[in-house]
Amino acid sequence: GAGVSQSPSNKVTEKGKDVELRCDPISGHTALYWYRQSLGQGLEFLIYFQGNSAPDKSGLPSDRFSAERTGGSVSTLTIQRTQQEDSAVYLCASSYPAREGESPEELFFGEGSRLTVL
Amino acid sequence: AQKVTQAQTEISVVEKEDVTLDCVYETRDTTYYLFWYKQPPSGELVFLIRRNSFDEQNEISGRYSWNFQKSTSSFNFTITASQVVDSAVYFCALKPGGFKTIFGAGTRLFVKA
Repeated sequence: GAGVSQSPSNKVTEKGKDVELRCDPISGHTALYWYRQSLGQGLEFLIYFQGNSAPDKSGLPSDRFSAERTGGSVSTLTIQRTQQEDSAVYLCASSYPAREGESPEELFFGEGSRLTVL
Repeated sequence: AQKVTQAQTEISVVEKEDVTLDCVYETRDTTYYLFWYKQPPSGELVFLIRRNSFDEQNEISGRYSWNFQKSTSSFNFTITASQVVDSAVYFCALKPGGFKTIFGAGTRLFVKA
């Protein structure tokens, strides 16, 4: 498809289980972001990938969270031993990186993966 | 600190009313970018506008207009003659130096027919 694709769109899991969320960015977009949107909250930055550079993981809330991006394209966000406070919508976004001297490109978002931890 | 504050959690208006969504930001960077995104009920955030810190010209696009004032660190968004289809959550965002885009908590707009 032409847009950012995320799967699953909805995931219900039991506390303590591991989950994997997938993001397929727009073709050609080298920058990829994960954000978390909790009920009534803004978007909380989690992690950023840019090309082959080491990802910036400064937003990951705990070591139960990890993400990888294979081949510079698809990304997987993994949450281990899920807790109820992990319940949120996980949003993936991609963009072209800004070239020097130019304005940064806007982010293109997927529809999100809604995670519910029981 | 880098921060975006959208003090209005929810706004409810009647169709055809004008409405202004407030956004106040904090950054020490001299070069930064400001954005507005719309999140309709379907959930997918959509880009509306981008502004850089050196361009304080206000912008109008149809029923939408944006007022950027560096003196008050504000980047407010006005919808003129609101319509039911404008009902959504609107996010203001700041991109200071570096890659990270920082979002406000969002303002939920209800436009009633």
